[in-house]
Amino acid sequence: SQTIHQWPATLVQPVGSPLSLECTVEGTSNPNLYWYRQAAGRGLQLLFYSIGIDQISSEVPQNLSASRPQDRQFILSSKKLLLSDSGFYLCAWTTGLYNSPLHFGNGTRLTVT
Amino acid sequence: AQSVTQLGSHVSVSEGALVLLRCNYSSSVPPYLFWYVQYPNQGLQLLLKYTTGATLVKGINGFEAEFKKSETSFHLTKPSAHMSDAAEYFCAVSGDYQTGANNLFFGTGTRLTVIP
Repeated sequence: SQTIHQWPATLVQPVGSPLSLECTVEGTSNPNLYWYRQAAGRGLQLLFYSIGIDQISSEVPQNLSASRPQDRQFILSSKKLLLSDSGFYLCAWTTGLYNSPLHFGNGTRLTVT
Repeated sequence: AQSVTQLGSHVSVSEGALVLLRCNYSSSVPPYLFWYVQYPNQGLQLLLKYTTGATLVKGINGFEAEFKKSETSFHLTKPSAHMSDAAEYFCAVSGDYQTGANNLFFGTGTRLTVIP
């Protein structure tokens, strides 16, 4: 069966520090991968999605970036965090079929101080 | 264009009462529709999905939803609320797959409170 791992679960970082969040998927190949963010009291905001290695699309301009160094690994990064980067970050995958649901990781709670 | 509207950001029901969470969608193609549940500090879990076929879809935890094309709706229901149903619920519609976009579009969520 397929599983998705996301780490760390919680993170507290000072403003201006770098960020690296990792996500890996097991039990499937060539998944579509996604990074979402939830700010407090708000819905889901799609940040990045990837349909293959080195194929990454950005949905919103920001100081975050994403990389996919391996087929089932998706990394969210920042060189310098802002206070507004605080939130709950969710990684997700799907098979890419149009009727396929998204499968989410357990999320990372990021607090920028 | 694809979009989802969830009416009511907060819904409260008494334990044992009917749960009704509303979702209306807009889609330029025949839609695929999904309901997700999120418990505090966790990821989203799929409750149910509609792709094709039967318009009444049954999911986990006793939830079901009915696709009504004429009303562009996909409301989520449960006959009798349990305390464990307290969570946030998200409705989502598929992207315009005819143009190659296969992302999901989410509503802003409905927080369900169950009153003992």
